Amino acid sequence: ELKVEQNPLFLSMQEGKNYTIYCNYSTTSDRLYWYRQDPGKSLESLFVLLSNGAVKQEGRLMASLDTKARLSTLHITAAVHDLSATYFCAVDKSATNKLIFGTGTLLAVQP
Amino acid sequence: DTGVSQDPRHKITKRGQNVTFRCDPISEHNRLYWYRQTLGQGPEFLTYFQNEAQLEKSRLLSDRFSAERPKGSFSTLEIQRTEQGDSAMYLCASGSGLGIWYTQYFGPGTRLTVL
Repeated sequence: ELKVEQNPLFLSMQEGKNYTIYCNYSTTSDRLYWYRQDPGKSLESLFVLLSNGAVKQEGRLMASLDTKARLSTLHITAAVHDLSATYFCAVDKSATNKLIFGTGTLLAVQP
Repeated sequence: DTGVSQDPRHKITKRGQNVTFRCDPISEHNRLYWYRQTLGQGPEFLTYFQNEAQLEKSRLLSDRFSAERPKGSFSTLEIQRTEQGDSAMYLCASGSGLGIWYTQYFGPGTRLTVL
């Protein structure tokens, strides 16, 4: 059974600092996704990573994928308050492309 | 095209009542998914449709849950005899494309509260 684990579960950051969220998954997967969720809202797609060594960047967020280690990272550079949200990674493997989500990382950026 | 839409956005019901949610996917998306998200957790897969065919159901989908996609367009999720444990956000997603071009988009969700 495919399992996805994230750490940390909660991250309190100061503005301007850098940090990394880790996503481990238990079996090989075709795709890895990162989503953002604001309180009470739905999921906003951030990145889709398809292959080993893939790196994508958008603003202060950069995601990378190591399929051999079954590990993805979401790196936050010079955090700002607007980045406060819950971040989920998810993987899909089956022909149906159903997503298996991690437990999420609640990010709180303090001024 | 305004994306995936869901209705209602919020539903409060008493235990034992039946509820039905609707999802309108992005036009021409042949794949449709339902997920459930409880407080503090990641979304969990419930069921999947390809066009009008329901091809996969999670063990989470008990006999009280039924989903349909009658014409391969919108979908409904019905919960019969609701229980307090059914309180959650119900998310619908639609997807399109093959292989590396596949993408999946989520709707705004329906938040269910069972009293």
